[in-house]
Amino acid sequence: GNSVTQMEGPVTLSEEAFLTINCTYTATGYPSLFWYVQYPGEGLQLLLKATKADDKGSNKGFEATYRKETTSFHLEKGSVQVSDSAVYFCALSYTTGTASKLTFGTGTRLQVTL
Amino acid sequence: EAGVTQFPSHSVIEKGQTVTLRCDPISGHDNLYWYRRVMGKEIKFLLHFVKESKQDESGMPNNRFLAERTGGTYSTLKVQPAELEDSGVYFCASGASGYSYNEQFFGPGTRLTVL
Repeated sequence: GNSVTQMEGPVTLSEEAFLTINCTYTATGYPSLFWYVQYPGEGLQLLLKATKADDKGSNKGFEATYRKETTSFHLEKGSVQVSDSAVYFCALSYTTGTASKLTFGTGTRLQVTL
Repeated sequence: EAGVTQFPSHSVIEKGQTVTLRCDPISGHDNLYWYRRVMGKEIKFLLHFVKESKQDESGMPNNRFLAERTGGTYSTLKVQPAELEDSGVYFCASGASGYSYNEQFFGPGTRLTVL
């Protein structure tokens, strides 16, 4: 079946540091890939997505590139801020036909300090 | 426009009791999903409604869980009787219909604690 593997957290960084959160997936065919973020006390929000190989999703300074050859979708940000402290979830879904379920990774907690 | 709302935000019950969680999707969204995150693990899919019909209930763990979606609007998820392993955060999400990808909008979740 489909699965998503994320790096273990928590990740603790100083403000303005470079962030990478690794995500790899196992799936048949051509899934779409997503990063969701959950800020404290809130629901999950879609951060960015990529629907085909070599696509780059980007939002709020975060980027991730859909690498089919390595089955990866690593999240990166050049300079993190304290406000980026949250839990980040990598996910996949098949987006053709009827809307379908998301398969998530375990989540990676990011803590950014001054 | 109001987002997805869930009620209650937190529930603490004894093993063997019954709990009903409610989700109000974004108005007009035909797709409604339930997910669960247990003990800091991955968020797992439970089921998917399209309007009032169950499109996919492959993630429902057992027959102690019953989901309904009255008239294709709000949805309830009942756990009866609750067991310790049911503790976790239950998320609801809704999305519009259509052939191409439609974003799933998540509620804040209901934290269920079974003692």
